[in-house]
This record gives sequence, C-alpha cells and structure tokens, in this order.
Amino acid sequence: GQNIDQPTEMTATEGAIVQINCTYQTSGFNGLFWYQQHAGEAPTFLSYNVLDGLEEKGRFSSFLSRSKGYSYLLLKELQMKDSASYLCATQTGANNLFFGTGTRLTVIP
Amino acid sequence: GAVVSQHPSWVICKSGTSVKIECRSLDFQATTMFWYRQFPKQSLMLMATSNEGSKATYEQGVEKDKFLINHASLTLSTLTVTSAHPEDSSFYICSARNSGYEQYFGPGTRLTVT
Repeated sequence: GQNIDQPTEMTATEGAIVQINCTYQTSGFNGLFWYQQHAGEAPTFLSYNVLDGLEEKGRFSSFLSRSKGYSYLLLKELQMKDSASYLCATQTGANNLFFGTGTRLTVIP
Repeated sequence: GAVVSQHPSWVICKSGTSVKIECRSLDFQATTMFWYRQFPKQSLMLMATSNEGSKATYEQGVEKDKFLINHASLTLSTLTVTSAHPEDSSFYICSARNSGYEQYFGPGTRLTVT
C-alpha cells in the first residue's frame, strides 16, 4: 500500500528558513519527488531523491532517508512568492507517482 | 523544453453531456501519459496511466467506461468524461514522461458540470 504524511499547513516569515517534512510507507519505492503547486495551477518539479542524503538546488534542498521512510524539503531565504502548496510524492517500481495531500505554506512579511 | 499543453483550460458543460480534454507534449515524445484529478484543497489522485498504442491502466475505483482515455500518438492523449455529473467537477491534470524519470505536468483543465 501507499501512504504519505505531511503537515497540512505551515506559516513562515519572509527571509527565514522553513523545513517541510514528509514520511511515507510505499511498496516498491523508487524515488521521492517534491513539487510546488500554486492555487489553480499544475505542479512544478522541485526535486528528486532516489539515494539517501541531501540534494541542494539554489534556495531549495531536499533530503531523503530510505531506512526511515522520511524526507524533507528545505526552503531558504523565503520570498512571498514561495507561498504555495508543496507536494511530496513517491514513485513506485511501476514509475507511477503517489502524492501526499500537500503542505500549504504561507509566507508572511 | 519539456512542455505539456492541455486544452481546454476550463470548460462548463451540462449534466449528461460528454467532455473531451486533450493533452499534448509539445517538444518531446511521451511514451507514457498520466491523468490526475484534483478536488479543492486535496492532492492529485492518479486516475490512469496510458502508453501509446495500448489500453490505459486505470487505478482502483476509476470507472474506465466513464473516463475514456485514448493515447493515439506519442504526443497526444485524450480524456473523455462521458455522461458527466456535477460530482465530476474537478481539476483534471495530465502529465507526460519520455524515457526519463520526471513527469512534466500540463496546466490543467477545470471542469464544471452544471
């Protein structure tokens, strides 16, 4: 079966750092994705982890621990435009994506 | 590169009618296309996976006779919602993948059934 847990909502201040956690139970795990989705729009790709460790890409970093079934997305130097939903998704051996319910991040001045 | 388009971007139809949504990969050949549905404040739910030239694989609970999927070429997949009802009102999003791992998402189609 598939299950993903993320916090429903988070609030952070402009310029700060925020960490969005994701825990998962996935049979046939074959990688973990993070997507950003603004309201009424399609998701946009942020990161992909298949091996343990930290992947850094500009202001965004993503971490994976396969043994713990855990990932996080780290956003640095928050900007107002980062207010969006952040979706954690696991990829199975069949290469299908299973999405979590998403974390709605609100960045305040 | 890796652009996926959807048409229409929004549609309103009457209950009982059918609606067709197109998904196109504009600058790459998509061996696999995926159709998702997203209700307000919920995450994306995979409806079906389609490979070019073969029948779509539907997720559990998705009626294949109601949601007809055709993947006639490597750049086009269509989803037809037949005999639409108000509960089918949702945001429908397609994605496409070539030989890599990443799925490229279309901009979505908002369907409202009155």
